[in-house]
Amino acid sequence: QKEVEQNSGPLSVPEGAIASLNCTYSDRGSQSFFWYRQYSGKSPELIMFIYSNGDKEDGRFTAQLNKASQYVSLLIRDSQPSDSATYLCAAIDAYSGAGSYQLTFGKGTKLSVIP
Amino acid sequence: DVKVTQSSRYLVKRTGEKVFLECVQDMDHENMFWYRQDPGLGLRLIYFSYDVKMKEKGDIPEGYSVSREKKERFSLILESASTNQTSMYLCASETRTRGNEQFFGPGTRLTVL
Repeated sequence: QKEVEQNSGPLSVPEGAIASLNCTYSDRGSQSFFWYRQYSGKSPELIMFIYSNGDKEDGRFTAQLNKASQYVSLLIRDSQPSDSATYLCAAIDAYSGAGSYQLTFGKGTKLSVIP
Repeated sequence: DVKVTQSSRYLVKRTGEKVFLECVQDMDHENMFWYRQDPGLGLRLIYFSYDVKMKEKGDIPEGYSVSREKKERFSLILESASTNQTSMYLCASETRTRGNEQFFGPGTRLTVL
């Protein structure tokens, strides 16, 4: 059974600080990783995906992947109260060619940005 | 903009009833998914479909079935609803050409009494 592990939080950071969200995964075959944001009462929305070792930056968000350590992280710079949400990490296996694959989600980390 | 819609936001049913949850996407996506989300358990995949009339079991298919007769529509069926199926149900769709980005519908909160 594939597993994606996240600290449930809550993680509290002051406004303007860097929020660091972490995720580990059990399946070494996992190739692509996703970060979704979910506001309370809303459905998840994709923030970033990463499939190569190293960093990937998009605005205030940076995703980091270390396949040797089976570790994925999301950094949010200059955190804003509007970033307060639950962040879901997800991993996907190699595409099987028959369209058969699954996205495995972690349980999410709740982030609170304090004004 | 991709739009994924679900037939109901809130639904209340009685134990033993047959329940249909409908999901429609308007972007000609090949793949569609049904998840349920519960506090402390996260998002769990029930079923997915990568083509019309095709379906694959996810992690928790017991007690559910699905139907995909048209590309844009994916239905989740609870043959005989039970109280442990009270949950938030989320539908998602994805095109294979966009790197597996899944777009979620607004969710249906189902309560089984």
